[in-house]
Amino acid sequence: QLQLQESGPGLVKPSETLSLTCTVSGGSITSSIYYWVWIRQPPGKGLESIGSIYYSGSTYYNPSLKSRVTISVDTSKNHFSLKLRSVTAADTAVYYCARATDYGGNPIDYWGQGTLVTVSS
Amino acid sequence: DIQMTQSPSSLSASVGDRVIITCRASQSISSYLNWYQHKPGKAPELLIYDASSLQSGVPSRFSGSGSGTDFTLTISSLQPEDFATYYCQQSYSTPGSFGQGTKLEIK
Repeated sequence: QLQLQESGPGLVKPSETLSLTCTVSGGSITSSIYYWVWIRQPPGKGLESIGSIYYSGSTYYNPSLKSRVTISVDTSKNHFSLKLRSVTAADTAVYYCARATDYGGNPIDYWGQGTLVTVSS
Repeated sequence: DIQMTQSPSSLSASVGDRVIITCRASQSISSYLNWYQHKPGKAPELLIYDASSLQSGVPSRFSGSGSGTDFTLTISSLQPEDFATYYCQQSYSTPGSFGQGTKLEIK
């Protein structure tokens, strides 16, 4: 059974960089029929796609966040990571990592449990 | 960017009711439309992919339809465990964007 687990600081200061890692277990991150995504949910709001990455390193970012986001993959550790720079209180959210399929409508079929990141001094 | 608009934003219904949630895309997305159920404190779960395909393990009371710009999620007979927030997501362009959600509450 595939599992994804987010890890990283739960509190980040304004203007600093939010860094999270998603460790994938029970499956390989190098499978060519999947890609890997980050999604967030601010308190009381809906889901927002942050970006995605293939194991090859190809990335796609939400245009509204593109200038501040970097997603990377480390196939040797079977994990992928998110960096969001110059954070503000508006970046406070539950951050999810997930797997999407590269076929059949490209749905997100496995999700991590999510991790709350609060931006505050 | 492709914008996704769901309606209604919230809905009160009773156990046994038939419920329909709609989702409209700002441009044609063919059938690249997925539906998720999200309960507080838990990860979202995939219900429907490719507009009308039922994800393995999801009860058959859930169904999806549509193509192009207009889509629907139907729950044929609401069960107590179905009260949650539902999101549509387009996967025509990456990263896929979500609708604002429909909160389904008990009447």
